[in-house]
Amino acid sequence: GENVEQHPSTLSVQEGDSAVIKCTYSDSASNYFPWYKQELGKRPQLIIDIRSNVGEKKDQRIAVTLNKTAKHFSLHITETQPEDSAVYFCAASIRDSGYALNFGKGTSLLVTP
Amino acid sequence: DSGVTQTPKHLITATGQRVTLRCSPRSGDLSVYWYQQSLDQGLQFLIQYYNGEERAKGNILERFSAQQFPDLHSELNLSSLELGDSALYFCASSGGTGNQPQHFGDGTRLSIL
Repeated sequence: GENVEQHPSTLSVQEGDSAVIKCTYSDSASNYFPWYKQELGKRPQLIIDIRSNVGEKKDQRIAVTLNKTAKHFSLHITETQPEDSAVYFCAASIRDSGYALNFGKGTSLLVTP
Repeated sequence: DSGVTQTPKHLITATGQRVTLRCSPRSGDLSVYWYQQSLDQGLQFLIQYYNGEERAKGNILERFSAQQFPDLHSELNLSSLELGDSALYFCASSGGTGNQPQHFGDGTRLSIL
């Protein structure tokens, strides 16, 4: 089945700096890659997603890039703010699994003022 | 508010017991996914239903079962509970088949004593 690896597991940045989280996937049939933000005790919240026919997508301070050949995708957060502190999960879905999501292990991001 | 409703929020029970978790998807969504989140296993896909029919199975134990009713709400049944079943159980819904964004409910925290 699909295996999604996520790095780093923890990331600490200063407010205003950029943060980058990277994920790799194993199944070349994967074609949808969402990112979720989960605050402590809360539900995972979809923040951005990208489909396999697109190389990059941006939404204000958040961007995602996809390299299908290398099977990796990344989340970029610019001008980080303390409220960006949370656990971020990448995921990949494949048709043969009913488009269920296979998640990475998560990255705990801490933005210090 | 994601529009996905899960009840109960918390459940405390003993080993060997059986519990039922309930999920109401967002209005208009036909697909329901169940995920388990634990510290050691991360977020794992359990099972998916689409318009009342099972569509895909993930790492779901034989002691666990689910169904989706004509009004599209879903129930996850966990039986012969073990200590290791303690986890957060999330339901997510999406618009249909294909790679549609999945929106998560607030989860049910299950504690086995």
